[in-house]
Amino acid sequence: DQQVKQNSPSLSVQEGRISILNCDYTNSMFDYFLWYKKYPAEGPTFLISISSIKDKNEDGRFTVFLNKSAKHLSLHIVPSQPGDSAVYFCAASAQGNEKLTFGTGTRLTIIP
Amino acid sequence: DGGITQSPKYLFRKEGQNVTLSCEQNLNHDAMYWYRQDPGQGLRLIYYSQIVNDFQKGDIAEGYSVSREKKESFPLTVTSAQKNPTAFYLCASSFFSGINYGYTFGSGTRLTVV
Repeated sequence: DQQVKQNSPSLSVQEGRISILNCDYTNSMFDYFLWYKKYPAEGPTFLISISSIKDKNEDGRFTVFLNKSAKHLSLHIVPSQPGDSAVYFCAASAQGNEKLTFGTGTRLTIIP
Repeated sequence: DGGITQSPKYLFRKEGQNVTLSCEQNLNHDAMYWYRQDPGQGLRLIYYSQIVNDFQKGDIAEGYSVSREKKESFPLTVTSAQKNPTAFYLCASSFFSGINYGYTFGSGTRLTVV
């Protein structure tokens, strides 16, 4: 049972444009969400997070939006840069659960 | 500098041999985790440990074993019983006080069975 879903395995975006990565979840107990970025042969690195009490969190070029009623979150990267080419994982956690639940990842390719 | 260290970065194993992957953290994190990533796939949880001398199976624990004798260390043994051991292995750690606010990952170990 995939509780966190990233339905787009890959996404290509022109440099300078906006990249939008989507993530859906089914567990209504999730109340904290994170995005990780991963380059090949490296460990994922934390990018940005959002608590369920907010609907938006911004950090530089990265903004995460949370729609609790739709159980949907998205990561916006603007403007997209070649160094943003990587696999992006969304993850979720719930009070009382010591583990993160990860999505399957979206490979983002920025076209110069 | 605090961090989480995995070693070695690349590991080759002959079929039928056990091999142990090292994971050490100096972040004073309570919990530690082992994940496996295969090409085109997400992160699959192998084992995790919240406290010393205690650990739980994840989604794909068969053919693997772990120990947690020290808070800083969480080695993973890939046994000969693991049918498809070639993969990229990731160790992570985190604080946990009721909710998980995120992992710190190591840089990974690529295991190849030859």
